[in-house]
Amino acid sequence: NAGVTQTPKFQVLKTGQSMTLQCAQDMNHEYMSWYRQDPGMGLRLIHYSVGAGITDQGEVPNGYNVSRSTTEDFPLRLLSAAPSQTSVYFCASSNSGGAYNIQYFGAGTRLSVL
Amino acid sequence: GQQVMQIPQYQHVQEGEDFTTYCNSSTTLSNIQWYKQRPGGHPVFLIQLVKSGEVKKQKRLTFQFGEAKKNSSLHITATQTTDVGTYFCAAKVYNQGGKLIFGQGTELSVKP
Repeated sequence: NAGVTQTPKFQVLKTGQSMTLQCAQDMNHEYMSWYRQDPGMGLRLIHYSVGAGITDQGEVPNGYNVSRSTTEDFPLRLLSAAPSQTSVYFCASSNSGGAYNIQYFGAGTRLSVL
Repeated sequence: GQQVMQIPQYQHVQEGEDFTTYCNSSTTLSNIQWYKQRPGGHPVFLIQLVKSGEVKKQKRLTFQFGEAKKNSSLHITATQTTDVGTYFCAAKVYNQGGKLIFGQGTELSVKP
């Protein structure tokens, strides 16, 4: 049982490049979410999904796209990376009713945009 | 703006001293969760409080949820070096859908 798996662990991009951060969970959780962590800012919600085919915006969605074609996968896409997107990104999953259930986090992706 | 405020941002203590972090909101919270993140790691769930005035204990950790459900605290008695890390509160705000809003976190360092 791997839990929540994020890839890659580290990434360096140039401004304007695009990339996809991968997130997969094997716990059959309905609720998945993406957070970014910056010093002094805590964890800020980017996008979340309450099930396959359903996504919604969080606190800081601009510059990011998501889709949820399967229960297991919830990729985060940066279409045109900017230095302000340098951060640590965490994917999390939980049972349905996400805010009342334990969030299981992946190990994180450390992204630098030059 | 930030709906869940957490203080202090940093706390440095001598091993054996107590530690408290506070989580406050101007609006009523449906629940509050607490997470711990070790340096270089990811957040790990500690506990959830749902009822007004609820108090829960985990060994040296005591968690409280305010009577008005607008604040919460985490208290660690006699800190140890293994307590080092960042402690986050996370809450569901009434009428904010299924989103969990995190506080800014309190980074605890413990000097042996």
